[in-house]
Amino acid sequence: EAQVTQNPRYLITVTGKKLTVTCSQNMNHEYMSWYRQDPGLGLRQIYYSMNVEVTDKGDVPEGYKVSRKEKRNFPLILESPSPNQTSLYFCASSNTGWGQPQHFGDGTRLSIL
Amino acid sequence: ILNVEQSPQSLHVQEGDSTNFTCSFPSSNFYALHWYRWETAKSPEALFVMTLNGDEKKKGRISATLNTKEGYSYLYIKGSQPEDSATYLCAAGNTGGFKTIFGAGTRLFVKA
Repeated sequence: EAQVTQNPRYLITVTGKKLTVTCSQNMNHEYMSWYRQDPGLGLRQIYYSMNVEVTDKGDVPEGYKVSRKEKRNFPLILESPSPNQTSLYFCASSNTGWGQPQHFGDGTRLSIL
Repeated sequence: ILNVEQSPQSLHVQEGDSTNFTCSFPSSNFYALHWYRWETAKSPEALFVMTLNGDEKKKGRISATLNTKEGYSYLYIKGSQPEDSATYLCAAGNTGGFKTIFGAGTRLFVKA
């Protein structure tokens, strides 16, 4: 089954404790992206990747890192999480080209205390 | 910088009503416009991707149009059903790169 898998689905942690949210897709997609969703603001793009070893900042990259060492994986790293990073996070992937629809994971709800 | 706006923010309709909402975006350097349907506790699902001025797409009772010259897209739902209740998101991208900008969404409530 074609899917985008995020882990964990839920996480409560404390300020400053490094965490990684994994994202994996099995559709051989070249484009992958991370978004955060906050009430009233819709989805805001954090980082995106056009291909292996090619990443770029979205609109809200501060406080986040990403890597794309393999085509299927695109982890989101919070080196020193802070309470303002409490949010619902989505990973998405699509074929090359912006004219392709994005497939979303089920979301990860992070709470930073 | 792209700024994508959707209106209205929310909409309450009765079962059987037809409805429509708007997505507006900067027309300069436009590349593609996406519509997604997002049900509560689920992930967004793609409805349409449109790239050409005058594009019209249809899926069942849902259709969309695109005007790239004036920078807007309409999403129409004919004969709304309770299962259409969801948030409808649009996203735009321009030729400057592959950054994706989403609007804040239109929350549709369909009452039986």
